[in-house]
Amino acid sequence: AQSVTQPDIHITVSEGASLELRCNYSYGATPYLFWYVQSPGQGLQLLLKYFSGDTLVQGIKGFEAEFKRSQSSFNLRKPSVHWSDAAEYFCAVGSGTYKYIFGTGTRLKVLA
Amino acid sequence: GAVVSQHPSWVICKSGTSVKIECRSLDFQATTMFWYRQFPKQSLMLMATSNEGSKATYEQGVEKDKFLINHASLTLSTLTVTSAHPEDSSFYICSAAASGTVSYEQYFGPGTRLTVT
Repeated sequence: AQSVTQPDIHITVSEGASLELRCNYSYGATPYLFWYVQSPGQGLQLLLKYFSGDTLVQGIKGFEAEFKRSQSSFNLRKPSVHWSDAAEYFCAVGSGTYKYIFGTGTRLKVLA
Repeated sequence: GAVVSQHPSWVICKSGTSVKIECRSLDFQATTMFWYRQFPKQSLMLMATSNEGSKATYEQGVEKDKFLINHASLTLSTLTVTSAHPEDSSFYICSAAASGTVSYEQYFGPGTRLTVT
């Protein structure tokens, strides 16, 4: 069965520190992979996506993610976190039917 | 491009009444729209998938008669919560997909906060 796992429910980092949010998926074919960010009471904003080509994907707000097929992972990274990055982050796997499977989310807290 | 709006952004209704939430794709034609429900500090739960001109496909456990979905045009889908009760209070998010895109991407609306008193 298809699934998405975000192992870390909460992550706390200091402002300026690097960040890595983990996402592992289980999917039979080549997946379409997405990272979204959600601020409290807001909708989802797309950070980046992968569907083919270069496995290192650059996104908005200085985020990047790397697709590793051998590890079934699509981890999100940022070299230096800003206080405004505090939010909920969701990894999602898509298919050819447009339907997504969402991970459970990782809540990021940034310490000043 | 690819903007999706929802209206209203928040709504309070009394128990037993019905409330309609609109989801519009503003600058593209959405052949498929999705409705999600999100409880506080939880992930999005897919409620149903709707295709323009067809009946919606509901996920297991979602009451079709309580959550009426209509996708009458390529730019508008509506979710009607019928006979709402306090347990229906939640954050409802819609998304839309345009056919023919290579990444099969969904574009999300800003969400609607429903509070049933």
